[in-house]
Amino acid sequence: DAGVTQSPTHLIKTRGQQVTLRCSPKSGHDTVSWYQQALGQGPQFIFQYYEEEERQRGNFPDRFSGHQFPNYSSELNVNALLLGDSALYLCASSLVSNEQFFGPGTRLTVL
Amino acid sequence: QKEVEQNSGPLSVPEGAIASLNCTYSDRGSQSFFWYRQYSGKSPELIMFIYSNGDKEDGRFTAQLNKASQYVSLLIRDSQPSDSATYLCAAPDNYGQNFVFGPGTRLSVLP
Repeated sequence: DAGVTQSPTHLIKTRGQQVTLRCSPKSGHDTVSWYQQALGQGPQFIFQYYEEEERQRGNFPDRFSGHQFPNYSSELNVNALLLGDSALYLCASSLVSNEQFFGPGTRLTVL
Repeated sequence: QKEVEQNSGPLSVPEGAIASLNCTYSDRGSQSFFWYRQYSGKSPELIMFIYSNGDKEDGRFTAQLNKASQYVSLLIRDSQPSDSATYLCAAPDNYGQNFVFGPGTRLSVLP
């Protein structure tokens, strides 16, 4: 049973560029949440996707957008990258509320 | 805005000792709490959750919840060097779908 997978593992971008991160949920899960974790901090909720719609959004600017596909996989897009966007981006999948399983994360570095 | 607070540490304990990790929260209406362990460079993994006042034990781990005082703690008995990690306390957000995380406490178990 495959767990949550994310790609790529690491990514280096420069300021102003755009990036797309990908997530495949755990088998049987239909909900995907994205979190940003800056160094030394706890994860911060970005948004959640369910039935291909954004169901809930945290306190992040519109530069952060996402998508969920019919197979429940999801993408996180960040436009106009800033240095402060450097972080570990975590995807978590769930079937019922609160039982979230995290993927290995994508480490984004913005230079 | 719901907040979860933790002492960032580091908390150092000798091997075999009891490690006590504490977390306080701002929302008196919070009903459940989750403890995640995160090794350096890895994603969070769920250790246990607690819904009711009192203690909940799972192997070497005991979660304690005191709703009147708005704190939750995690005790690790017979601490091992492999327990060295950052421990994140989390509570469901106001919609109950995603988590508000504390900043994490870094635990170091010394052999």
